Amino acid sequence: KQEVTQIPAALSVPEGENLVLNCSFTDSAIYNLQWFRQDPGKGLTSLLLIQSSQREQTSGRLNASLDKSSGRSTLYIAASQPGDSATYLCAPREHNTDKLIFGTGTRLQVFP
Amino acid sequence: NAGVTQTPKFQVLKTGQSMTLQCAQDMNHNSMYWYRQDPGMGLRLIYYSASEGTTDKGEVPNGYNVSRLNKREFSLRLESAAPSQTSVYFCASSEIRGASNQPQHFGDGTRLSIL
Repeated sequence: KQEVTQIPAALSVPEGENLVLNCSFTDSAIYNLQWFRQDPGKGLTSLLLIQSSQREQTSGRLNASLDKSSGRSTLYIAASQPGDSATYLCAPREHNTDKLIFGTGTRLQVFP
Repeated sequence: NAGVTQTPKFQVLKTGQSMTLQCAQDMNHNSMYWYRQDPGMGLRLIYYSASEGTTDKGEVPNGYNVSRLNKREFSLRLESAAPSQTSVYFCASSEIRGASNQPQHFGDGTRLSIL
């Protein structure tokens, strides 16, 4: 059974710092891995999708990497801003079931 | 761009009442999903539908039923609501099974409280 762990569970940093959020998963048989952002009381916004054949994806200040063989993905946020404050979720999509399996997220607070 | 639309956004029920959560997508996606989100537990899959006319159980299906009414719509029904079903429910959709470059798209959620 796929298990997804996100470290750290919570993070509070001053504005301007570069951040690394970690995601690990136990079954490397995946189609892809998505990173989502969730604001309090809101739905999920897809940030980045990395296909199983890819090593990384970039969107603006966000960069996500994937090491499928070791079951790890990282989300790198450059020059963090207060508007980045949210919970970040990673979810690999299983190959055999086609389902997304979610971690419990990293709650990020960026203060001015 | 509507994407995935869920109704209602909020609902309060009494124990034993029934209700149906509605979900519709306008992206011509084949696969649709229902999740629940509880504090400290992440999102868990309740049911999914890989294509019109098919449904399968996810991780936590007990107490729920689903209907894939057509390609656009996927509803979730609570026949006899219980306090343990208090949660935030999310509907999602995606392209065909196994499309590695296709993300899942989520609705804004339904916040359900059962007293």
